[in-house]
Amino acid sequence: DTEVTQTPKHLVMGMTNKKSLKCEQHMGHRAMYWYKQKAKKPPELMFVYSYEKLSINESVPSRFSPECPNSSLLNLHLHALQPEDSALYLCASSQDLAPGTSTGELFFGEGSRLTVL
Amino acid sequence: DAKTTQPNSMESNEEEPVHLPCNHSTISGTDYIHWYRQLPSQGPEYVIHGLTSNVNNRMASLAIAEDRKSSTLILHRATLRDAAVYYCILRVYGQNFVFGPGTRLSVLP
Repeated sequence: DTEVTQTPKHLVMGMTNKKSLKCEQHMGHRAMYWYKQKAKKPPELMFVYSYEKLSINESVPSRFSPECPNSSLLNLHLHALQPEDSALYLCASSQDLAPGTSTGELFFGEGSRLTVL
Repeated sequence: DAKTTQPNSMESNEEEPVHLPCNHSTISGTDYIHWYRQLPSQGPEYVIHGLTSNVNNRMASLAIAEDRKSSTLILHRATLRDAAVYYCILRVYGQNFVFGPGTRLSVLP
């Protein structure tokens, strides 16, 4: 199984809602990532988890809250978002031979397209 | 973050080879060169990566300059399904995996 599965594929939420994006992989990868992608722009790194610990937070606003319950799952909790947060949210995973040492290829999911009204 | 530069866009005819260039003049000895592509409405997809030697796989070939300051992704026979944004990325040991703007490849029938 070489898939990264993201749910939901589409999400529409109001600015006062709380929702979550979910990501799952069963490749035994110990590094997982959240990227945000606006239309016609490259993906921008948000968070990296290595061995279930948050290793990188790219100065992301606190209305985005990541969680890594176990080595296969990654969540992104959303609260009080703004319309400019509307984007494609991509999850990825890669092999880490030791915490923070990932050099291998990234496997991406198809993304969750978020619209904030 | 390690930086790469690529042309904004390129065009190719179907069934012809495509050479996508990438400059990475600040590369250091342990940085891997990765290529990904993103088809419309999909997440990025791994294409190929290498360190010093040229690499081939079922999707493409990667030619790395002797000084490693540039590389070229080679699609041997472009198809319409190869139309995508191609990203060249330096995979720096222990650091962020950062995407640049990429090259938008159009394939003409």
